Amino acid sequence: RKEVEQDPGPFNVPEGATVAFNCTYSNSASQSFFWYRQDCRKEPKLLMSVYSSGNEDGRFTAQLNRASQYISLLIRDSKLSDSATYLCVALTNFGNEKLTFGTGTRLTIIP
Amino acid sequence: DAGITQSPRHKVTETGTPVTLRCHQTENHRYMYWYRQDPGHGLRLIHYSYGVKDTDKGEVSDGYSVSRSKTEDFLLTLESATSSQTSVYFCAISESTGGLYGYTFGSGTRLTVV
Repeated sequence: RKEVEQDPGPFNVPEGATVAFNCTYSNSASQSFFWYRQDCRKEPKLLMSVYSSGNEDGRFTAQLNRASQYISLLIRDSKLSDSATYLCVALTNFGNEKLTFGTGTRLTIIP
Repeated sequence: DAGITQSPRHKVTETGTPVTLRCHQTENHRYMYWYRQDPGHGLRLIHYSYGVKDTDKGEVSDGYSVSRSKTEDFLLTLESATSSQTSVYFCAISESTGGLYGYTFGSGTRLTVV
């Protein structure tokens, strides 16, 4: 079983819709979590960190459920520019600075 | 941005030849990492460094070595390239301890081994 698992998609969503991604992690000792965005043939870029209390950044909301070991990302009022692959990431070895990445979920926003 | 550059951006090499990829940062960050990204596998850690001359293996380190003789440069060497090492290689830096702010990635190196 992979340490971080995501539905690979693809998710094809009409512009303006709300889309949600879920991600599960297997290592209960994971300390920190992130969502990254990766455009085609580009490097991953940090979208947002995920805090235990949940956090919101504009149209994006991230939630962490430690009991069920899953992380979610909600995108409201989706834009064409949101089309990308979204990577779920867990910090699994605190102090050794190592992140474990999911394989990503591909999102395409349809006009 | 954190000032991280990778070179070369693209490379085609023959099986059995050694290849060195370079990662350069201008921000004096302590932690540096090399990942490879392949379809179906996502990003996998090859090696990482937590200081000058301090390196350690990641989950897919076989066939790779690294060196960090100064803070700003982290080199990844494929000792004898194989077709299975055809991949996109990303270097990353960590701007804080504990990974609180995640990583910043370089633009990547597309390596093809023929």
